[in-house]
Amino acid sequence: NAGVTQTPKFRVLKTGQSMTLLCAQDMNHEYMYWYRQDPGMGLRLIHYSVGEGTTAKGEVPDGYNVSRLKKQNFLLGLESAAPSQTSVYFCASSPGLADQETQYFGPGTRLLVL
Amino acid sequence: GQNIDQPTEMTATEGAIVQINCTYQTSGFNGLFWYQQHAGEAPTFLSYNVLDGLEEKGRFSSFLSRSKGYSYLLLKELQMKDSASYLCAVADSNYQLIWGAGTKLIIKP
Repeated sequence: NAGVTQTPKFRVLKTGQSMTLLCAQDMNHEYMYWYRQDPGMGLRLIHYSVGEGTTAKGEVPDGYNVSRLKKQNFLLGLESAAPSQTSVYFCASSPGLADQETQYFGPGTRLLVL
Repeated sequence: GQNIDQPTEMTATEGAIVQINCTYQTSGFNGLFWYQQHAGEAPTFLSYNVLDGLEEKGRFSSFLSRSKGYSYLLLKELQMKDSASYLCAVADSNYQLIWGAGTKLIIKP
């Protein structure tokens, strides 16, 4: 049981390049989330999904797209990377809503955009 | 707007007790979480409070006062491995987690 895994662990991009971050969970959770974490700030929700085939915008969705084609996978795409997207990206999953269920986090992807 | 406030950094001595405070102003309240995050690692769940009062889990306890918009995390018998950031998060009316910036706890021998 691997929990939540993220690929890649670290990536350097040039401004304007695109990439996809992959998140996978093996706990059969319905809910999945993408956050970014920047120094001096709390985790900020980018997009989330409440089930296979569904996605919704979070607090800071601009510049990102997501897809949840399979229940266990949640992909985060950057179509045209900008230096402001340099951050640590965390994926999380939970069985249910935040009032009852904790979120389980992946190890993070460190992204540097030059 | 929604806001979670917690101290940026605290220092404590091994074996001692430390209290990390969190105050919040959110649109709705569906529970308050504390997570621990070691440097370079993912956050991991510590505690959850939805009703007023104290929840105890071994060396860690968490307190909530909904009327005051206030919580604290109490760590007893501090160990060096407790050096980490402690994140306070509140589930708002839409069940989205609003996160504080975290409190970096430094433990000295």
